[in-house]
This record gives sequence, structure tokens and C-alpha cells, in this order.
Amino acid sequence: AQSVTQLDSQVPVFEEAPVELRCNYSSSVSVYLFWYVQYPNQGLQLLLKYLSGSTLVKGINGFEAEFNKSQTSFHLRKPSVHISDTAEYFCAVTLHDYKLSFGAGTTVTVRA
Amino acid sequence: GAVVSQHPSRVICKSGTSVKIECRSLDFQATTMFWYRQFPKQSLMLMATSNEGSKATYEQGVEKDKFLINHASLTLSTLTVTSAHPEDSSFYICSAPSPGGGGANVLTFGAGSRLTVL
Repeated sequence: AQSVTQLDSQVPVFEEAPVELRCNYSSSVSVYLFWYVQYPNQGLQLLLKYLSGSTLVKGINGFEAEFNKSQTSFHLRKPSVHISDTAEYFCAVTLHDYKLSFGAGTTVTVRA
Repeated sequence: GAVVSQHPSRVICKSGTSVKIECRSLDFQATTMFWYRQFPKQSLMLMATSNEGSKATYEQGVEKDKFLINHASLTLSTLTVTSAHPEDSSFYICSAPSPGGGGANVLTFGAGSRLTVL
């Protein structure tokens, strides 16, 4: 079975600073990888996904992630954050079906 | 884009009562929907897969008689928490496969329903 580990539970960051959220996964076969964002009391919104091909994936709101097969990682980055990026971020993996396994989440708090 | 609507967004009930949460796919059909449960400050756990016209498939450890799922049409799935107790208090989120998901298994999530059992 596949699993996801988000290495940072909380990430405080100043506005306009860069941020990186770390995600490692475990699977013996190829997987699809996702990053979702959850704003307070809301559902999840897809930021980006990796299926195959280019290892650098660009998503919405200026986010990007890089798939590293040898390190089984899928870290999320943004070069300059805004206050509005304050949210919970979830890394997820699936074995090419719709059953997502989520990481524990990373709370990003952006301060002015 | 695709929208999944959940209702109610918040519900408070007394212990021992049953609560129904609706999940609707707007402007697209969903033969399958997924129900997740999220505890405070924790991740989402898949509870069950709702299948239109047939029985739901429950994940290991999820009580079928406690969490009744009905997928009566191609746009509606309901989750009924029966004889609710305080430990059932949680954030319940449904999702459906996004139409035209770009070749991937992309899900569209509802905004969630927060259940508080007193």
C-alpha cells in the first residue's frame, strides 16, 4: 500500500518570502501525486498534479512541485508567498485510481 | 469548472439522533463519489466509495450501519450518520471524479459538512 509523509506540520513564513513544503511517498509501483490546498472551513482545491513526463509541475496561484523518483519526493514550492496563501496543504498519492491517500497536512501561516 | 455541493455546511444535533448530509455534483454526472472524514488538525481519511445504483464500498474499520450511504441518482449521494454520538463529530467531505480531469484521477471536493454532536 502507498503512504504519504509530510515532513513539516507547521511552516510559518513572512510575506513575499519563498516557501517549500516537503512530501515523501512510499510505493512499490508508479503513482500519481497531488497537492491540494484547504482554506479554513472549506473543501480541498487542487493545486497541481504529477502524472508522468516532466518532473517539474506548475500549478495554480504560482505554486510548483518537483517529482523526484529516486528520493520518492514531491516537494511543493512558491517563490513569493502572500497573506492569502495561509492555509492547510495536503500532499496525496493514488495508484492510478480515485482512492487518494493523504499526508497529515502542513499548516502554512504567512505573516506580514 | 466542476462543482460539488454539500449540504448542510454545518449541523448540530443531539446524541442519539440521525443526521443526513447531501453531496451533489452540479452540471456533471458522477457514478462514483467518495466520502472522507477529517478530524481537527488531521488529514482526510477515506470512509467509503459511493456507487450509483449499488451498494457503497466501505474502507476497513468504517461501520456500515453507523454511516449509511445512498447514491440514488447520478448527481446525488447521501451520508447518514445514524444514532450519532459525540465521537462522530467531525468534518465530512465528499468528492467526485472531475469531468475532463486531464487524464488523471482528479477529484472535485465539496466544501465539507461540519457535524457537532452534543
